[in-house]
Amino acid sequence: EPEVTQTPSHQVTQMGQEVILRCVPISNHLYFYWYRQILGQKVEFLVSFYNNEISEKSEIFDDQFSVERPDGSNFTLKIRSTKLEDSAMYFCASSVSRHEQYFGPGTRLTVT
Amino acid sequence: SQQGEEDPQALSIQEGENATMNCSYKTSINNLQWYRQNSGRGLVHLILIRSNEREKHSGRLRVTLDTSKKSSSLLITASRAADTASYFCAISLMNRDDKIIFGKGTRLHILP
Repeated sequence: EPEVTQTPSHQVTQMGQEVILRCVPISNHLYFYWYRQILGQKVEFLVSFYNNEISEKSEIFDDQFSVERPDGSNFTLKIRSTKLEDSAMYFCASSVSRHEQYFGPGTRLTVT
Repeated sequence: SQQGEEDPQALSIQEGENATMNCSYKTSINNLQWYRQNSGRGLVHLILIRSNEREKHSGRLRVTLDTSKKSSSLLITASRAADTASYFCAISLMNRDDKIIFGKGTRLHILP
C-alpha cells in the first residue's frame, strides 16, 4: 500500500541553524500539508500546498518557514533560523482530494 | 475554538472490553476523521465519516456522527493490548477543507 515517507526520522540542530525536512507524498496525490506536534500537545496545522502554491497557512507559519516542491516527488519544509520552540514532531500529509489525508511517520526535530 | 474536543482525556480498560471515545466540535464540518497515534510515532488514519453519514464500521471500529449535536464517537470492540495509543478526532471545516483541525486526543490504555 502506498504511503507517505519522511526523512530524516530525527534531526538535531543548533538554534539559529537552517533545517530542511523532506517528505515524499503518495504519487497520485495533489494536495500536500505540513503539521507539527509539540511534545504532549495536539497536532497543529502549518500549511497546505496545491498546484505549486500555498493554499492556506496558519499563524505559526511565519517568515521563518517555507515550503517547496522542487521536483515531481519531494515536498520540503524549511525553517530558516531555528528556535528552541521549533522542537516538535513535524508531519507531512498528502491527499487526492481535500478530504482524507494520509500522514507520514513524522520527523522529530530537536533544537538545542 | 473550532477544534474537536475528545472525551475522556484518558481511559483505562481491561483487555476484551469495549472502549468508547467521544468528540465534540463547534462548527459545521465537511467530514470528521479519527486517527491513532502510538507514543512518539506517526498518525494512522482510522476512519473518515462524512457529514451526511451517521455510522461507519471498519473491523472492530465503529464511528458514529451526530451533526445535530456536533458530536462523534469511536467505539473499539473487544479491545486488545495493541490498541493502547492516543486517539484523535480531526474535523474538516465546511467550505474550508484545506486543513484538518485536531483535538487534544484521548489516551487509551488497555490493561492485560
